[in-house]
Amino acid sequence: EIVLTQSPDTLSLSPGERATLSCRASQSVYTSLAWYQQRPGQAPRLLIHDASNRATGIPARFSGSGSGTDFTLTISSLEPEDSAVYYCQQRYNWPPITFGQGTRLEIK
Amino acid sequence: EMQLVESGGGMVQPGGSLRLSCAASGFTFRSYEMNWVRQAPGKGLEWVSYISSDGTTKYYADSVKGRFTVSRDNTKNSLFLQMTSLRADDTAVYSCARGNTVRLWGLGTPVAVSS
Repeated sequence: EIVLTQSPDTLSLSPGERATLSCRASQSVYTSLAWYQQRPGQAPRLLIHDASNRATGIPARFSGSGSGTDFTLTISSLEPEDSAVYYCQQRYNWPPITFGQGTRLEIK
Repeated sequence: EMQLVESGGGMVQPGGSLRLSCAASGFTFRSYEMNWVRQAPGKGLEWVSYISSDGTTKYYADSVKGRFTVSRDNTKNSLFLQMTSLRADDTAVYSCARGNTVRLWGLGTPVAVSS
């Protein structure tokens, strides 16, 4: 089973700042990695698929990069509505599909 | 509008059973692989089960293997999860999810296993 480890667990930043979230895989997932945003009380929303492709309707301030075992989600200029938990997920070596433990992003 | 709506959750005693349903609308359900994903209170996302678009291939997380059964009825645009021998650690919100890169999620149905 591929284990995904996200860092940091929690991030607290101000509006307009840049957020950098990391996801590390226990073995290569090539580019078969997605990022999701989950706001309180809501279903997760796909942000990035295949490591670096923004999903339909996702603002350009969200970007993904990486391949192999190391991946990054960057939010270039934080908005208050970006306060959420962010999860990475791999579908390269499955089953099982696996998720990271999540990074909680707080906007001050 | 594309939508997934889960139902069938509730409170059950340890060892009990529940059958969850997921009603799909707004897209061609029979064309898509589907998954069940759960989220325990205050915890992250955990994949539970997968079923292929035609229902012939099924996979399960080790934690539920032998206790849960996934199925679908493409004539009724519906996905199911039969859960038996429920344990306290099965307590979670169960959501259906379209595809292995999930572009569509339901809001989920809560399952609480407690005596």
